[in-house]
Amino acid sequence: DAGVIQSPRHEVTEMGQEVTLRCKPISGHNSLFWYRQTMMRGLELLIYFNNNVPIDDSGMPEDRFSAKMPNASFSTLKIQPSEPRDSAVYFCASSLGGVSIKSEAFFGQGTRLTVV
Amino acid sequence: KQEVTQIPAALSVPEGENLVLNCSFTDSAIYNLQWFRQDPGKGLTSLLLIQSSQREQTSGRLNASLDKSSGRSTLYIAASQPGDSATYLCASYSGNTPLVFGKGTRLSVIA
Repeated sequence: DAGVIQSPRHEVTEMGQEVTLRCKPISGHNSLFWYRQTMMRGLELLIYFNNNVPIDDSGMPEDRFSAKMPNASFSTLKIQPSEPRDSAVYFCASSLGGVSIKSEAFFGQGTRLTVV
Repeated sequence: KQEVTQIPAALSVPEGENLVLNCSFTDSAIYNLQWFRQDPGKGLTSLLLIQSSQREQTSGRLNASLDKSSGRSTLYIAASQPGDSATYLCASYSGNTPLVFGKGTRLSVIA
């Protein structure tokens, strides 16, 4: 398996623009997680899905952020409108099993977002 | 709410030294604890996963231990090499909250 695949790897956008980050989890995994990493705050969970259903989105910072998982092999994280403080590295991760099965999580390479 | 702390934030050692990285967590009712490695500008690579029923896990030169009662985990690296230089992160899964991360220990192994 190719692992968790994220695109794009780098994104530079202007303040106010819409940004869409994409993630393809490992085939067969049914839990998917979106994290944000900054120097100040480290890795923070934004939202996670189990069997394509959002379980907890309490980490989503504002209504400007939204995430979807239309099927088991694809998820998006959208920021609209983007702001400079959204600049960070966004990671997607997946694991086998639902929240009752605490299995090993595998991370993608991340998307480095810069909002100018 | 689970909080995970890693001390020290940075560590520099000469090549060949054995070393221990520390991780502490506030909620001892964890399901598992996972150690990751992150190279600069890269994603996270899973190193070891310890389930709550286990005391330790080993992979090559790496050994991770878990003591739930004291809220601590350690990652032992034997015979360190320059290629081990990276940031090491620990994360715990407790309650219904997926991985909560510490801020990591940045390790430099000097040749």
